[in-house]
Amino acid sequence: EIVLTQSPGTLSLSPGDRATLSCRASQSINNNYLAWYQQKPGRVPRLLIYGAFSRATGIPDRFSGSGSGTDFTLTISRLEPEDFAVYYCQQYSTSSLTFGGGTKVEIK
Amino acid sequence: EVQLVESGGGLVQPGGSLRLSCAASGFTFSSYWMHWVRQVPGKGLVWVSRIKTDGSYTNYADSVKGRFTISRDNAENTLYLQMNSLRAEDTAVYYCGAGDSGYLPNWGQGTLVTVSS
Repeated sequence: EIVLTQSPGTLSLSPGDRATLSCRASQSINNNYLAWYQQKPGRVPRLLIYGAFSRATGIPDRFSGSGSGTDFTLTISRLEPEDFAVYYCQQYSTSSLTFGGGTKVEIK
Repeated sequence: EVQLVESGGGLVQPGGSLRLSCAASGFTFSSYWMHWVRQVPGKGLVWVSRIKTDGSYTNYADSVKGRFTISRDNAENTLYLQMNSLRAEDTAVYYCGAGDSGYLPNWGQGTLVTVSS
């Protein structure tokens, strides 16, 4: 099973700041089979990025994904008030899918 | 509009069984892989199981293998999760999801399963 470690656990930023979230895998993720989700309190997760780089339908271009192998990054170029939430990475490179533990982006 | 509506959650004693359902509408159900993902309130997401479009392939997280069974009825646009030998650590909100074999663009609202005596 691939273990995904997200860092930092919490990111305290202000609206307008740039957010950089990390997702590190315990072994290489083939074909960039990595996705990112956003979850707000009391809401269901929303797919942001799949295939490490591709934005899902309706996702603003301030969200971008990068990386390969074992190191992946979600970048939010300029935080909007609605972006404060928990973000999860997920790999689907192996038959046993796994999620990271999440990064909370909170208002500073 | 894609809609996924879970049902069947509730309180069950340790060792008991429960069957969750997920009714799908607004899309061609038989063309999508379906997944179950669970989340302990306040904690992270945990993938549970998935099933291929035609039901010919399934797989499970190690933590539920041998106890849970995923199935689907494409004629009824419904996904199921049969949960047996339930444990306290299975307590969570269970979400169904529709999408690719790996990632999930569409999620239901979830149903809460509580395993407690």
